[in-house]
Amino acid sequence: AQKITQTQPGMFVQEKEAVTLDCTYDTSDPSYGLFWYKQPSSGEMIFLIYQGSYDQQNATEGRYSLNFQKARKSANLVISASQLGDSAMYFCAMRGAGQGAQKLVFGQGTRLTINP
Amino acid sequence: DVKVTQSSRYLVKRTGEKVFLECVQDMDHENMFWYRQDPGLGLRLIYFSYDVKMKEKGDIPEGYSVSREKKERFSLILESASTNQTSMYLCASSVIRDSTRAQYFGPGTRLLVL
Repeated sequence: AQKITQTQPGMFVQEKEAVTLDCTYDTSDPSYGLFWYKQPSSGEMIFLIYQGSYDQQNATEGRYSLNFQKARKSANLVISASQLGDSAMYFCAMRGAGQGAQKLVFGQGTRLTINP
Repeated sequence: DVKVTQSSRYLVKRTGEKVFLECVQDMDHENMFWYRQDPGLGLRLIYFSYDVKMKEKGDIPEGYSVSREKKERFSLILESASTNQTSMYLCASSVIRDSTRAQYFGPGTRLLVL
């Protein structure tokens, strides 16, 4: 069974600082994918970034990067130069391979608050 | 851009009522999903569908059913609503040809059952 653990229920950061949101995962599949989603107070889940288990380099999308450490089974999200609009819930998720490739398993989320 | 819409943002129903939540996507995605989201529990998969008229149970299907008569539309049905079904309901879709299998979500429906 796949499992995602996010150990930080909440984080408070000053504007313009970098932020690291933690995510660890557990799976027995050799092939899998890891995702981060952002959920503002409006409710919609926004897809931010993806990392495949066989990708050699860490994924980056603008100010977002994914610090993928396969041996430690961690997939932390790094947000550089945080902005007030980054305040939201953030969810880490993973998918498996084969039959499990279509479904996502989510962590419990981390609420990020950016202070001015 | 992928567009997933849900029929209502907020819904108030009474215990025992039959409730329909509708989801429509405009990107010809094969897969569609229904989740519920509760504080501290993250998102939990209720049902998903990988083709018209096909459905599979997720982790918490009890008390729910689904219908997919057209590729773009996936409905979640609460046959007899109960107070423990008060929650945020999120619909998502994904496409098989995308190797990431990223799911794209609608805005969510906040359901209150009195």
